[in-house]
Amino acid sequence: RKEVEQDPGPFNVPEGATVAFNCTYSNSASQSFFWYRQDCRKEPKLLMSVYSSGNEDGRFTAQLNRASQYISLLIRDSKLSDSATYLCVVSSNSGYALNFGKGTSLLVTP
Amino acid sequence: DTGVSQNPRHKITKRGQNVTFRCDPISEHNRLYWYRQTLGQGPEFLTYFQNEAQLEKSRLLSDRFSAERPKGSFSTLEIQRTEQGDSAMYLCASVNTGDSYGYTFGSGTRLTVV
Repeated sequence: RKEVEQDPGPFNVPEGATVAFNCTYSNSASQSFFWYRQDCRKEPKLLMSVYSSGNEDGRFTAQLNRASQYISLLIRDSKLSDSATYLCVVSSNSGYALNFGKGTSLLVTP
Repeated sequence: DTGVSQNPRHKITKRGQNVTFRCDPISEHNRLYWYRQTLGQGPEFLTYFQNEAQLEKSRLLSDRFSAERPKGSFSTLEIQRTEQGDSAMYLCASVNTGDSYGYTFGSGTRLTVV
C-alpha cells in the first residue's frame, strides 16, 4: 500500500466552482501534513500546512482527520490560475523526510 | 538569487555513463534533501543531509547512487553506470531545522538516459 494515496483526476471545473480533493495516508505515526502545488514542468511549492483544527488561507481550506487518516483540500471560487497538480504530503516515520502522493490534477476552464 | 539552485537544468547521457548533479541550498538552511520525480508520480525521497551528515537514505538509493555534502553547504548527487530507468527529474530541497517543513525546492535537473 502506498504511503499517500490521492485520486489523480483530472478534475475539470468551470471558473468560480468549488472543488475538493482528498487523500489518505497509511502511517498513523505521521505528525506533519501539507498540500503542495506543482505547475507543469516546475518544482513543487508549499501551498499550506494542514492542522487537526483545520486551517484556511483565503479561498483554500485544509482539513485533517487523524482518526480516519484522511486529509482534504477545498478550493472555493476557482480561478484559471488554480490549474495545477495538487500534491498531498505526509511526514515519514523518521519525521524528517516527506512522502508525496502522486498528485491530483486540476484544470479550471473559462 | 536566494533560492535553491540546481545545475545543470537538463542532462542527456548515454546508458552506462556517470553523471553528477549539483545543488546549492538556501545559505542558512541546514537540511538538504534529494528527491526524484518521474512523469505522473509525486516526488520520491532519496536522501537527506543535516549539515554535512547524511542521516537518511531511501531504499531507492541503489549502490549506483551516491550523495555528498562535504562542507555542509552545496551537495552533489552522482549516478554511476546510468540506466534508462534513471531518467527522471532530480529535485533538491532545503529547509532549516525548526521551520515547519516548508521545503524550498530547486527547479530540478532533468536527466534523460538514452
